[in-house]
Amino acid sequence: DTEVTQTPKHLVMGMTNKKSLKCEQHMGHRAMYWYKQKAKKPPELMFVYSYEKLSINESVPSRFSPECPNSSLLNLHLHALQPEDSALYLCASSQDASGTDTQYFGPGTRLTVL
Amino acid sequence: GESVGLHLPTLSVQEGDNSIINCAYSNSASDYFIWYKQESGKGPQFIIDIRSNMDKRQGQRVTVLLNKTVKHLSLQIAATQPGDSAVYFCAETSYNFNKFYFGSGTKLNVKP
Repeated sequence: DTEVTQTPKHLVMGMTNKKSLKCEQHMGHRAMYWYKQKAKKPPELMFVYSYEKLSINESVPSRFSPECPNSSLLNLHLHALQPEDSALYLCASSQDASGTDTQYFGPGTRLTVL
Repeated sequence: GESVGLHLPTLSVQEGDNSIINCAYSNSASDYFIWYKQESGKGPQFIIDIRSNMDKRQGQRVTVLLNKTVKHLSLQIAATQPGDSAVYFCAETSYNFNKFYFGSGTKLNVKP
């Protein structure tokens, strides 16, 4: 089973709201990722967690706050977002974060910021 | 080809024909390459991968070719079906990079 699940599928929020995106995998993978994808563009890496510790932050604004409560779960907390943050947010996981392990993606959360 | 502005390069093929999607990768130190398929409204789906010690790898109806001399990767899809319609991304990485670098994507349209 190579399934990564994400909730919610769609999210609409105002610029003053606080919301969270959730990601789960049960493949025993020890690396998990958040990507942002705009229309007609490839995914852009935001964060990498390796063994539940943040290992990469690609200079993402602090209004995005990741959290890894355990090895199966990854959250992305959102606060005071801007309309330009509207995008598809993808979670992925891999065996580890060595760089050459296949990453398996979830279906994404379509976020709209009003 | 390279995407310009908001337009993805598009390849249109007839159902049943073979498709070839190309990708020029950027870093000669990359040693692991992956092709992903992304259907509309879905996340990228792993199709096939290849390591730099190989030139060719075959899967079910798909073949990946790697030419390290010119830093070129291609994905061949045999007997293309309507369900193959999607955007295809190549990605490159290396043990030293700790992240994937994605190409700009190619949209495949399969005409019935």
